[in-house]
Amino acid sequence: DADVTQTPRNRITKTGKRIMLECSQTKGHDRMYWYRQDPGLGLRLIYYSFDVKDINKGEISDGYSVSRQAQAKFSLSLESAIPNQTALYFCATSEDRFVGGYTFGSGTRLTVV
Amino acid sequence: KQEVTQIPAALSVPEGENLVLNCSFTDSAIYNLQWFRQDPGKGLTSLLLIQSSQREQTSGRLNASLDKSSGRSTLYIAASQPGDSATYLCGGGSNYKLTFGKGTLLTVNP
Repeated sequence: DADVTQTPRNRITKTGKRIMLECSQTKGHDRMYWYRQDPGLGLRLIYYSFDVKDINKGEISDGYSVSRQAQAKFSLSLESAIPNQTALYFCATSEDRFVGGYTFGSGTRLTVV
Repeated sequence: KQEVTQIPAALSVPEGENLVLNCSFTDSAIYNLQWFRQDPGKGLTSLLLIQSSQREQTSGRLNASLDKSSGRSTLYIAASQPGDSATYLCGGGSNYKLTFGKGTLLTVNP
């Protein structure tokens, strides 16, 4: 099994729908992150969490919310999806101060029509 | 605010050539620097991680160096192969997050 698992792998949804992307990890890392990747814009941080009770906004949090259900689970929600949220979404984990670096999930390709 | 720049944006080389990818960052107070490979539409695979106290790391045909004073890292690929074709991303870890460059798209032609 993968260290960082994202579900679903692909999703097509309609404008205005609520959608949740899920991430679970077996690394035992405290830190978890959600990034989105767009062509020409690179990877941008949406939210990050240092532990279950510590959740913070990243560069582009508007239109998104997150939930850290447990050390191993970090979910990203789009409350009312819009077409410009079409992107590749990645979950990542790390230890404190990035010891050992980042580990990424395989990504969720989200299309909002 | 950390900014990471990768040059060139795209590179095309013939098979067998040695090549260097560049990564520069603005904040020298980074904890580490990590190089990733990404195939089209796929996830990021970690290639090499250089911790703050280190200057380079090697894995097979890959060698990465880190010079914090000049704000630069390089990824050296020896004897390139068509299977090396991918986008290569570098990320600098500072404060609370890893900041990424936009990547270098490498094409190795048979």
